[in-house]
Amino acid sequence: ILNVEQSPQSLHVQEGDSTNFTCSFPSSNFYALHWYRWETAKSPEALFVMTLNGDEKKKGRISATLNTKEGYSYLYIKGSQPEDSATYLCARNYGQNFVFGPGTRLSVLP
Amino acid sequence: GAVVSQHPSWVICKSGTSVKIECRSLDFQATTMFWYRQFPKQSLMLMATSNEGSKATYEQGVEKDKFLINHASLTLSTLTVTSAHPEDSSFYICSATLSPGQMWNEQFFGPGTRLTVL
Repeated sequence: ILNVEQSPQSLHVQEGDSTNFTCSFPSSNFYALHWYRWETAKSPEALFVMTLNGDEKKKGRISATLNTKEGYSYLYIKGSQPEDSATYLCARNYGQNFVFGPGTRLSVLP
Repeated sequence: GAVVSQHPSWVICKSGTSVKIECRSLDFQATTMFWYRQFPKQSLMLMATSNEGSKATYEQGVEKDKFLINHASLTLSTLTVTSAHPEDSSFYICSATLSPGQMWNEQFFGPGTRLTVL
């Protein structure tokens, strides 16, 4: 059974702080790792798809790295803003299916 | 683009009734749709994979007679919770992919449906 873990479970930061979370997953038969941002009452929004070891992706103040050999990905948010408050999900492909982690709930306090 | 809608967004029903949840891809054709369930403080758990025009593939432990999935068109999949009981109360969310082929195809999600069975 594929197990995807995320830490921390929740996080409170002050506006302007930079933060990061971890997604860890089994490294065997790896295809891709996905990051999503999920705001309350909205659809999860895709942030990144990462496939290659050493991949680094960036979108504005958010970036992610991938280590497929050791089975982890980091998501970084630089200069957090209140609008970054959301649950951040990672998911690993298992065939065409996704296996999700439980998410990291980020609250950015103004 | 790539918007997925879900209806209803929440539903309360009595034990023993059936509830239908619709998942629509609004601006693209989805050959494959996925249905997930999420219990409080847990991960999204895949229930079934639905391909247009064929029977859904259910994950281990998901009762196919309990959770009926129909994917009759390239833009619509439905999940019917039959004879719902309080333990079926959960958050149900669907997703869709643009086209098969690549293993890392992005999934586009609906906003989810909160089901409460009294």
